Amino acid sequence: NAGVTQTPKFQVLKTGQSMTLQCAQDMNHEYMSWYRQDPGMGLRLIHYSVGAGITDQGEVPNGYNVSRSTTEDFPLRLLSAAPSQTSVYFCASSYSGTDQETQYFGPGTRLLVL
Amino acid sequence: LAKTTQPISMDSYEGQEVNITCSHNNIATNDYITWYQQFPSQGPRFIIQGYKTKVTNEVASLFIPADRKSSTLSLPRVSLSDTAVYYCLVGGSGGYNKLIFGAGTRLAVHP
Repeated sequence: NAGVTQTPKFQVLKTGQSMTLQCAQDMNHEYMSWYRQDPGMGLRLIHYSVGAGITDQGEVPNGYNVSRSTTEDFPLRLLSAAPSQTSVYFCASSYSGTDQETQYFGPGTRLLVL
Repeated sequence: LAKTTQPISMDSYEGQEVNITCSHNNIATNDYITWYQQFPSQGPRFIIQGYKTKVTNEVASLFIPADRKSSTLSLPRVSLSDTAVYYCLVGGSGGYNKLIFGAGTRLAVHP
């Protein structure tokens, strides 16, 4: 049971480039989400999904796209990277998504946009 | 949304008990109090959750007074490996995405 996995661990992009951050979980969780964490700050919710085919915006969705074609995978796409998107990105999952449940976080992807 | 306030940082020494207090004056009747721990370069990890009185597990204890306007996370006999950021979150009630990860409390444990 690998839990929540994320790839890549670290990525450097130039402004305007696009990329996809991968997230997968093997716990059969319905709920998955993406957060970003800037230095010295807490986590901010980007997008989330309550099941395959269902996604919605979080607190800071601009510049990011998501899709959920399977229960296991929830990729985050940056369409045109900007320096303001330099951050650490965490993917999380939980059984059904209610706030009472434990969220399981991945190890994070560090993104640097030049 | 119930806002939480916790100290920005704390220092302790190995073997001591550490208590981190979080205030949440606007907690709703059905809200739970949840604490997460985040080590450097890792994602947050669930520590403990409670609704009222006291909850204890193998990692920590959570003390919640009767008015529930605050809570205290207690870490017994800390070690260097307990150096981390600790987040207090309030919410639940069956809803989604009401939990807010603030800046947390940065705990440094010294030898």
